[in-house]
Amino acid sequence: GENVEQHPSTLSVQEGDSAVIKCTYSDSASNYFPWYKQELGKGPQLIIDIRSNVGEKKDQRIAVTLNKTAKHFSLHITETQPEDSAVYFCAAAYNTNAGKSTFGDGTTLTVKP
Amino acid sequence: GAVVSQHPSWVICKSGTSVKIECRSLDFQATTMFWYRQFPKQSLMLMATSNEGSKATYEQGVEKDKFLINHASLTLSTLTVTSAHPEDSSFYICSANAGGPGQETQYFGPGTRLLVL
Repeated sequence: GENVEQHPSTLSVQEGDSAVIKCTYSDSASNYFPWYKQELGKGPQLIIDIRSNVGEKKDQRIAVTLNKTAKHFSLHITETQPEDSAVYFCAAAYNTNAGKSTFGDGTTLTVKP
Repeated sequence: GAVVSQHPSWVICKSGTSVKIECRSLDFQATTMFWYRQFPKQSLMLMATSNEGSKATYEQGVEKDKFLINHASLTLSTLTVTSAHPEDSSFYICSANAGGPGQETQYFGPGTRLLVL
């Protein structure tokens, strides 16, 4: 089955700096890669996703890049703000069944004011 | 985006009792919903896939007789933790997919925290 590895497990940045979280996956059939933000005590919230037919997607301060050959994808957050502090999860799935995503172990991002 | 709700948001129960958690898709229909469990500081673990009008599909190692799933309508799935024990205490999260074939996106509910005393 699919295996997703996520790094780093914790990340601390100064407000205004950029944050990068990286994930690798094992199953070359996976073609849907969402990123979720989870605040304490809440369910995960989809923040951005990318499908295998594109290499990069951007939404304001958040961007995701995908390298299908190397089987890795990354989340980039620019101009970080304290409210970006949360746990971020990457996931990989075969896009006709997005709900059966395999999740990474999560990255705890702390943005220091 | 699509909205998924859960009820209750938290529940405390005595050991041996059963607890039912509801998951609803508020503005879309979902033939398939998913149930996850999350322990503190850990990732989400898929427990089962809930299929409208048919039996749920359980992941390996998840006891189907302990975690009863019913998906009676296109907007409601329920998870019943039967004869709950302290080790069942966890954060239970449901999700549902929205979007057309090949463009599905997964939306999560806010989660239900279960504490078994």
